[in-house]
This record gives sequence, structure tokens and C-alpha cells, in this order.
Amino acid sequence: DVKVTQSSRYLVKRTGEKVFLECVQDMDHENMFWYRQDPGLGLRLIYFSYDVKMKEKGDIPEGYSVSREKKERFSLILESASTNQTSMYLCASTTVSSYEQYFGPGTRLTVT
Amino acid sequence: DQQVKQNSPSLSVQEGRISILNCDYTNSMFDYFLWYKKYPAEGPTFLISISSIKDKNEDGRFTVFLNKSAKHLSLHIVPSQPGDSAVYFCAASDNAGNMLTFGGGTRLMVKP
Repeated sequence: DVKVTQSSRYLVKRTGEKVFLECVQDMDHENMFWYRQDPGLGLRLIYFSYDVKMKEKGDIPEGYSVSREKKERFSLILESASTNQTSMYLCASTTVSSYEQYFGPGTRLTVT
Repeated sequence: DQQVKQNSPSLSVQEGRISILNCDYTNSMFDYFLWYKKYPAEGPTFLISISSIKDKNEDGRFTVFLNKSAKHLSLHIVPSQPGDSAVYFCAASDNAGNMLTFGGGTRLMVKP
């Protein structure tokens, strides 16, 4: 079974703090994704990576950055957290030949 | 503008009856469609998919129908069970780096 894990299930941070969200997958998948989920808006793509040290902007990259130093690990960084970044953050991975993405359990981030 | 829309934010169905969840899309380049199911505090899990070369795909109680001319797909669940209560997302891909575009989700409640 594919397993995608995320470092925290719940996080509370203050405005202006730097926030790190980590994601690890154990299936040697090439592609990894970060989404945020907000009510009525579905899942919106923040960044994705198709290889180590490679990254591409998704639909809503502003205020975020990412890092992929190892194939199995993909980190999302909020450089200076703001209240409008309060959301559920979901990490996913897949192989290059598949459309089916496997998701982690999500991190509920609250910025106060 | 959202390229994938789920116009019903919620749906309530009696146990044993049929649940029909709908999804519309605007991008004619989309050629693969997926449905995901999400329970609270968990990541989305893949349910069923369909390629644009087909108009129907069945897996047990779940059937997805695709009407390309109308740019519309639907998920049928028969018979519905209380354990099917979740948020359902439809997603579409245009084969560009196997990225997915998600709809806003429909919350299904199956009443015993």
C-alpha cells in the first residue's frame, strides 16, 4: 500500500511566523504535489515537483515556497504566515505514468 | 474561473436509494476524469475513473458516466449506504504532467 505521511495533523501558528509542512511518500513516486482545501473551492494546487530539486508553480503559489532535496520528501514553506493561509493542506504523490494521486491525511493549519 | 464545477454543495439520500453526484467541466482538453472520496480529517482517496474514450465505467456499487458533448460526468452509487457519507470531489486531467483540476466537492449524506 502506498503511504503518504504529513508531519503534523494540526498546527497553530502566529501571523508572521515561518511555517514548514513536510510530506514523505514511500512508493518511489516521481511526482509530488501540495494542495490547499477550502470549503466550496475544492483542492487548489500550490506547487508540484516532478523530480528532485525541480518545482513548478501551481494555481496559487503566492506566499508559499517548496523544497525537494530527496525523492521521497516534499516540503511546503510559508515564508511569513498570514491569516488567509488558514486552511487544510494536503500532500499527494503519483508516478509519471498514472493520473491517480495518493494523498496524505492533511495538516489543518490555523494562523492567528 | 473554475474549469471543473460541482454545482450541488450537498446531497441527502435515504439508505438503499441511488445517489447521483454531478460534475461539469469547461476545458475540452480534459481527457481523463476521476472521483475522490474524502472523510473528515482524512486525505481524499481514489474511487473510480474514466477515460474520454469511454462513456461508462463501473466498479461494484459505483458507476461513472461521461457525456463529452455536454462536458458532464456523473457518479452513481447504488445502493447508497451510510458509510458512503463523505465529500466527493471530481477531478480532471489534460495529460499535462498528470496534474489534476478539482471541483469544489459535494457533501453526500446517506440517512439510515
